[in-house]
Amino acid sequence: QTVVSQEPSFSVSPGGTVTLTCGLSSGSVSTNYYPTWYQQTPGQAPRTLIYSTDTRSSGVPDRFSGSILGNKAALTITGAQADDESDYYCVLYVGSGIWVFGGGTKLTVL
Amino acid sequence: QLQLQESGPGLVKPSETLSLTCTVSGGSISSSSYYWTWVRQPPGKGLEWIGSIYYSGTTYYNPSLKRRVTITVDTSKNQFSLKVTSVTAADTAVYYCARRGGYYSDLDYWGQGTLVTVSS
Repeated sequence: QTVVSQEPSFSVSPGGTVTLTCGLSSGSVSTNYYPTWYQQTPGQAPRTLIYSTDTRSSGVPDRFSGSILGNKAALTITGAQADDESDYYCVLYVGSGIWVFGGGTKLTVL
Repeated sequence: QLQLQESGPGLVKPSETLSLTCTVSGGSISSSSYYWTWVRQPPGKGLEWIGSIYYSGTTYYNPSLKRRVTITVDTSKNQFSLKVTSVTAADTAVYYCARRGGYYSDLDYWGQGTLVTVSS
């Protein structure tokens, strides 16, 4: 059973930079896992920020970027704003048409 | 503009079968490349990928749910459906239907989600 791990919570100051990560219970995350990042605010469906590791979805501000850092996928927010306070989920493709979500990171901007 | 809308009972009894339908409008469910997907989110918890279906009927399921889940597609009605058998309180969640824009792509269109509660 593949487990995808994320930091449960993170805090960033307005204008600051934060990097959220997405790891695997066994092994390293690579581009072959097509890491995708979603942002979700309460009561709303998720929306895509980044797909295929580092491709920004249409309309997503360029302060959001995706990468592989070490053995994990990473989402970096540069110049955090108050409305970036949300839940962030990564999802990885683990083969055979199967995707696994991470547990999500609750980001606080204060 | 593509729209997806979930429908089905909001309350299901334990041990019974949960059935939901997603109606797609503004586009054809038979378009190639797209995978039609179900995702759920228990109250206050994270997202869980349930499974996907291609318009041809090819399915992919979460291994932890595979024994109880069936996803089907009805191209004549532009709908796809989810059945979860033998439900328990752990199946209480907001259920979302969504479109994956390609085999390795993201879920680019989502329904608004529907809360299904499992309770007697």
